[in-house]
Amino acid sequence: EVQLVESGGGLVQPGGSLRLSCAASGFTLSSYWMSWVRQAPGKGLEWVANIKQDGSEKNYVDSVKGRFTISRDNAKNSVYLQMDSLRAEDTAVYYCARDYSSGWYPVDWGQGTLVTVSS
Amino acid sequence: DIQMTQSPSTLSASVGDRVTITCRASQSFSSWLAWYQQKPGKAPKLLIYKASSLQSGVPSRFSGSGSGTEFTLTISSLQPDDFATYYCQQYNSYPWTFGQGTKVEIK
Repeated sequence: EVQLVESGGGLVQPGGSLRLSCAASGFTLSSYWMSWVRQAPGKGLEWVANIKQDGSEKNYVDSVKGRFTISRDNAKNSVYLQMDSLRAEDTAVYYCARDYSSGWYPVDWGQGTLVTVSS
Repeated sequence: DIQMTQSPSTLSASVGDRVTITCRASQSFSSWLAWYQQKPGKAPKLLIYKASSLQSGVPSRFSGSGSGTEFTLTISSLQPDDFATYYCQQYNSYPWTFGQGTKVEIK
């Protein structure tokens, strides 16, 4: 059974940093693209970033480019999202997701971790 | 960026009703569209990919169609478990974008 467990969320001040982790199990992480998708409270879904199997390709939504960095450690079965220069508008539940095939669309999702950016 | 617009934003329906949700894209593309169902406090669940392919394990009352700029999700006979919010998502080009969601409520 595919399991994705996010951690690392919490309350952070504007301008601060946070690192989210996604622990993957039940499948071979090195065979899949992985994504982060977020959802602000009471709002819709927003794709944030994804990363190729070997980490050689990364894609980001414009609003986080230069501030967020997606990475992975296949040996540790983990995917990460380093979030710097956080803003109030980054407040959201962040989901880790396993993409289908060559990074086409998220198939399996974790339960999410809440990030709150507030002073 | 490709903008995805869903209609309606909210839909009131009864058990047994046939329900159709529309997703319109700001640019034309082939079939690189997915549909998700989300219930309160839960992660989204993939229903449809490649516009009309049913994800494994999803009931056959769900179907998808369309290409170009207009796509639809149809629930042939609404069941109690189907009251939720539905999102379309294009994966034709980065950044991937979602529609704003359609909430299906009990009438």
